[in-house]
Amino acid sequence: QQPVQSPQAVILREGEDAVINCSSSKALYSVHWYRQKHGEAPVFLMILLKGGEQKGHEKISASFNEKKQQSSLYLTASQLSYSGTYFCGTASNYGGSQGNLIFGKGTKLSVKP
Amino acid sequence: NAGVTQTPKFRILKIGQSMTLQCTQDMNHNYMYWYRQDPGMGLKLIYYSVGAGITDKGEVPNGYNVSRSTTEDFPLRLELAAPSQTSVYFCASSYLEGANQPQHFGDGTRLSIL
Repeated sequence: QQPVQSPQAVILREGEDAVINCSSSKALYSVHWYRQKHGEAPVFLMILLKGGEQKGHEKISASFNEKKQQSSLYLTASQLSYSGTYFCGTASNYGGSQGNLIFGKGTKLSVKP
Repeated sequence: NAGVTQTPKFRILKIGQSMTLQCTQDMNHNYMYWYRQDPGMGLKLIYYSVGAGITDKGEVPNGYNVSRSTTEDFPLRLELAAPSQTSVYFCASSYLEGANQPQHFGDGTRLSIL
């Protein structure tokens, strides 16, 4: 079951904050976040494992709510370099086919000067 | 540090032709994956491999074949190209099980079938 990302697109001014959400109808083992710039490969940002621990990466952090099967990606004080499409990928278990990631359709983030 | 290398970067095929998309990684990763990405649809898993000699189907395997004779290489074969296979193809690898490991992606192969 493909996770649902929201919003589909967001436009920010430099310095503004944004939140991108990823929801699944299945119980999850892990949530991954990737960023892809136009014409390039996806680049890994972070993984959140079952346990609800919040993670941080510079001014980008994320949380994982197991009960709601939701993850949120927080981008604070956005920079022009944050522009791109953000994908969440979810795994329902560890091992076998359930350990493979199912990716959402992506959220396109545009940061303007 | 090459990481994951895909060739070719671009290709145009005629309907019914065959081709092999090449993927090699130099990170000694056990797990390798092939995804396709269509506009607005995210990444869909075609095939994956947990080690040399072991491959398995992903979500959208029809029309494709793979092999994994070495740890480094994971080629994807299209036997009878169809317009529905027009897409961007990404190869990725991870050191261990992908559920809790980062995946490293190649730059992609942009394939058009006319």
